[in-house]
Amino acid sequence: QQPVQSPQAVILREGEDAVINCSSSKALYSVHWYRQKHGEAPVFLMILLKGGEQKGHEKISASFNEKKQQSSLYLTASQLSYSGTYFCGTEIPNSGGSNYKLTFGKGTLLTVNP
Amino acid sequence: KAGVTQTPRYLIKTRGQQVTLSCSPISGHRSVSWYQQTPGQGLQFLFEYFSETQRNKGNFPGRFSGRQFSNSRSEMNVSTLELGDSALYLCASSLWVGTNTEAFFGQGTRLTVV
Repeated sequence: QQPVQSPQAVILREGEDAVINCSSSKALYSVHWYRQKHGEAPVFLMILLKGGEQKGHEKISASFNEKKQQSSLYLTASQLSYSGTYFCGTEIPNSGGSNYKLTFGKGTLLTVNP
Repeated sequence: KAGVTQTPRYLIKTRGQQVTLSCSPISGHRSVSWYQQTPGQGLQFLFEYFSETQRNKGNFPGRFSGRQFSNSRSEMNVSTLELGDSALYLCASSLWVGTNTEAFFGQGTRLTVV
């Protein structure tokens, strides 16, 4: 039940916008977004909970469409510092619903050039 | 405030041995999660501990276990090491406050099994 991320890679010029998508075949409890730069630990960006919402973090925001089991990460007016691999993590209830399994997508490599 | 501390940073072990990794979370964070990251499998969730109880668990064999102490520090143990256990093991410390949740990763422990 690994979520599918698209695109796999994207190259931007500084100031351009990008959208990264994360889709699941299962009903989701939550979606997490992370960014990881090469050789560094991941950085947690945000969590979106079941109920459908959009939230923002500086010029990075995300939406969660519970019906479509999808989340999208929006990067606006990209900066050089946004370069890295973006992962989504989806939480799916285990049978019984008392706890959840967190599964990550393969990641989207974002490169921002001057 | 001090970040998440993982020890040791690097470790080389022989097949069949066991290993214990340690994670000290940010003060006030009661949740600690463990992840395995490899080039082939990507980022995978191992388990999460909250107030000394395992709250969520990924799909790893029973050789992988963990525990959390009353001061929220957590340890992860892998017994009967296999070559495929070579990976970067990350822990994350979280303060769960709904959509205002914050989470921070440690720098990881790079485990090499020879």
